[in-house]
Amino acid sequence: DADVTQTPRNRITKTGKRIMLECSQTKGHDRMYWYRQDPGLGLRLIYYSFDVKDINKGEISDGYSVSRQAQAKFSLSLESAIPNQTALYFCATSKRGMEETQYFGPGTRLLVL
Amino acid sequence: SQQGEEDPQALSIQEGENATMNCSYKTSINNLQWYRQNSGRGLVHLILIRSNEREKHSGRLRVTLDTSKKSSSLLITASRAADTASYFCAAAGADSSYKLIFGSGTRLLVRP
Repeated sequence: DADVTQTPRNRITKTGKRIMLECSQTKGHDRMYWYRQDPGLGLRLIYYSFDVKDINKGEISDGYSVSRQAQAKFSLSLESAIPNQTALYFCATSKRGMEETQYFGPGTRLLVL
Repeated sequence: SQQGEEDPQALSIQEGENATMNCSYKTSINNLQWYRQNSGRGLVHLILIRSNEREKHSGRLRVTLDTSKKSSSLLITASRAADTASYFCAAAGADSSYKLIFGSGTRLLVRP
């Protein structure tokens, strides 16, 4: 089984809709991250969390919110989706003190019409 | 944008040849990491080099780091068709090593 899973893997939604992307991990890591990737670009950090109830904004947090329900779960919400949020979204985890190597989920491809 | 730059953006080589990718970054770093991404999939960690290291090897991978020039290079020797992927460098900040700043990536095509 994959260590970092994301659901759904693909999602099509309409402008204005609220959607949630979910991430679960079985690695026992304390740190979790959400990134977005646009075509031809590297990843940009949206939010990160060091532990349950710890939430930090990344480079591009506007229009997004997150929830860390448990150490193993980190959800990303788009409150009111817009077309320029069409992208590939990745969840990642890392363990404090392990030089911050990050382990990525398979990604969620989101299309906002 | 804080994103780093990678060069070249795309590289096409014959199987058996070496592939070299370069990365420049903007911040002071704790370490520099390289990741691989197969088309549309998650990134996989390849190798990490610390700021006080200049060169590191792992199998067919060789990474160099020049902190004075804020640059790194990844060399893949004796490339294989299975090496076809996008490669990203990621700089871990000196003050916040958990925060990775990714480069724009190099798309490598290895022709059989």
